[in-house]
Amino acid sequence: AQKITQTQPGMFVQEKEAVTLDCTYDTSDQSYGLFWYKQPSSGEMIFLIYQGSYDEQNATEGRYSLNFQKARKSANLVISASQLGDSAMYFCAMREPTGGNQFYFGTGTSLTVIP
Amino acid sequence: DAGVIQSPRHEVTEMGQEVTLRCKPISGHNSLFWYRQTMMRGLELLIYFNNNVPIDDSGMPEDRFSAKMPNASFSTLKIQPSEPRDSAVYFCASSFYPGQGIEQYFGPGTRLTVT
Repeated sequence: AQKITQTQPGMFVQEKEAVTLDCTYDTSDQSYGLFWYKQPSSGEMIFLIYQGSYDEQNATEGRYSLNFQKARKSANLVISASQLGDSAMYFCAMREPTGGNQFYFGTGTSLTVIP
Repeated sequence: DAGVIQSPRHEVTEMGQEVTLRCKPISGHNSLFWYRQTMMRGLELLIYFNNNVPIDDSGMPEDRFSAKMPNASFSTLKIQPSEPRDSAVYFCASSFYPGQGIEQYFGPGTRLTVT
């Protein structure tokens, strides 16, 4: 089974609108971390936001928030007030203690912001 | 603080040649990851180290690939002999182990082209 599933290969959003990028995960560990990364066309991988499995509040970082639904094993990224610079690939990742704290990445979602 | 340093940033080589990619993790980090990214296969984990010890090399595609981490501040990924299908962007990332809440910091990547 895939550890991280991102079912949206590509998404479009109008500038200034909000968009949700989906991510589901699979783990049997109780303690784990969830991360989102952004990869613009320039290629670098940029860390956006983190959610711990024991965190009761959804993580927020500026215009980014993580909609964490533990029972459903989902960790969706919400980008509010989209900007043209948000056009990029977005990767969901999980880190779990089993196996030496390995990171697992999803296949990514390509987001295009339309002016 | 300097981030993860990778060299070279670009490498063009002929099929059959040996290629060595280098990585210097962030000082104090004791977990290091090598990834390969292509359009066809996405982001693939090749190998990762904790405290300079290889933990999982199941992602290394073939015996032509080898990775070493002789000390906490240096790692190499070697391909010998190289083939055109090895053309990809190779990322090195570092983090702290253990620590589910610690994100990975990625280097800028090495773009490898094998002709």
